[in-house]
Order: sequence, then C-alpha cells, then structure tokens
Amino acid sequence: QSALTQPASVSGSPGQSVTISCTGTSGDVGTYNFVSWYQQHPGKAPKLLIFEVSQRPSGVSDRFSGSKSGNTASLTISGLRAEDAADYYCCSYGGSDSFLWVFGEGTKLTVL
Amino acid sequence: EVQLVQSGVEVKKPGESLRISCQTSGYVFTNYWIGWMRQVPGKGLEWVGIIYPHDSHTRYSPSFQGQVTISVDKPLVTAHLQWSSLKASDTGMYYCVRPLYSGSYCMAYWGQGTLVTVSS
Repeated sequence: QSALTQPASVSGSPGQSVTISCTGTSGDVGTYNFVSWYQQHPGKAPKLLIFEVSQRPSGVSDRFSGSKSGNTASLTISGLRAEDAADYYCCSYGGSDSFLWVFGEGTKLTVL
Repeated sequence: EVQLVQSGVEVKKPGESLRISCQTSGYVFTNYWIGWMRQVPGKGLEWVGIIYPHDSHTRYSPSFQGQVTISVDKPLVTAHLQWSSLKASDTGMYYCVRPLYSGSYCMAYWGQGTLVTVSS
C-alpha cells in the first residue's frame, strides 16, 4: 500500500488561508471517513488536529478545518499565524489488517 | 489528564536487544488500544503496531512484523516495544499513541518519543 500523496511544501502570509491536499486511493481515503491530520513542530511529538475527515478535538482552533472529496482529503488553515509553521501529516485508515494506517509523507508549511 | 510517558534515549549496537516503555496514566488502561509509531529523522511517520491491553491481541504493520514485539504490563499500565536483535535501520524516534476513543482510528495522545540510535 502506497503512502498518501501530499505536497512537499506550502506557504502563505499571516492572515491568509492555505490548503494542504492528501491524495489516496479508493482503498483508503476514498472509502473510509477515518482521515486524520497531525501538526508537528520541530523536536516535538505530532499533535492531532482533525479526525474523521472534519472533526476537531477539544482545544484545537477552529482555524483548522478538514474536508474530503473522492480520494482526496484536505486540511485548510485560515488566518495564518507564525506559530502555524510546522510539518503536517495526513493519515487514513487502510481498510485491512495488514494496512491499518496509511500516512502521507508530510507537508512543510512556511509562514512568510 | 491522559498522559503517556516514554522511557529515555537509547544508543545501541547492531545485534543488541532493547525494550522501550510507555507508562500511561489518567484513563482505564484496558479500554483503549496502544500503538507504536516510528519516525526516521527528517522523514515521515510509519505505524509499527498496536496492542489491545485487555487481551494483549496485537496487530503489526507488514514492515515490522517479525522484527519487533509489542506487549503490555497491565498492573504497571505500561506498554513495551522490544527488539531481540537491533539493526542500524531500526534507528528512529518511536512514539506510543492512544486513540481519542476506543473505536477510533486516530492517534489523539502521544508520548514524548524515545530516540533509538543503532550504530556500531
């Protein structure tokens, strides 16, 4: 099972919005609504931002939103702030015992 | 408050054995699976495997099947990841994780990570 496809990098200015895409297949993203997104700052553990495509855990800012269309999930960050600069990973349930999860390769967000 | 606290940095030689730990607190240990994820420095995340503490049933990624063993110590509410013979390619940061709710497939809680370096 291949990794989910994410852009290597995206950038935006403070206050702008950016969207990070995550493309899988009909065997993972396209079938299951178990897509999650994680934010990772350098030297830190990842943090859950979005689960089940569009749900935010308690405490996560509503500037982060998730969606899905077909085999592609997206994370949108609105009102960009300097502290949003980080790596972002998507993850999907893989649909089988062998491939419980499939991760994206990560996207580096630069806030200009 | 849910907490996952992992054991410290490890530096090992190829062929050595190792067990790293993840001590939990703040919730009922047997109600949630515990997973292990690996991140090679500068790279992305991979899932290693998970264990259901109530019956110790395990599921491993094909990439790690046969290479590692995941176990739990229920009285100590601790999960372990172990290797019997380390290779240089086992080098990485290992995180233990817990889901948001028991049927969830997302990793809501993360340990701080254990850096494992295998080098001769």
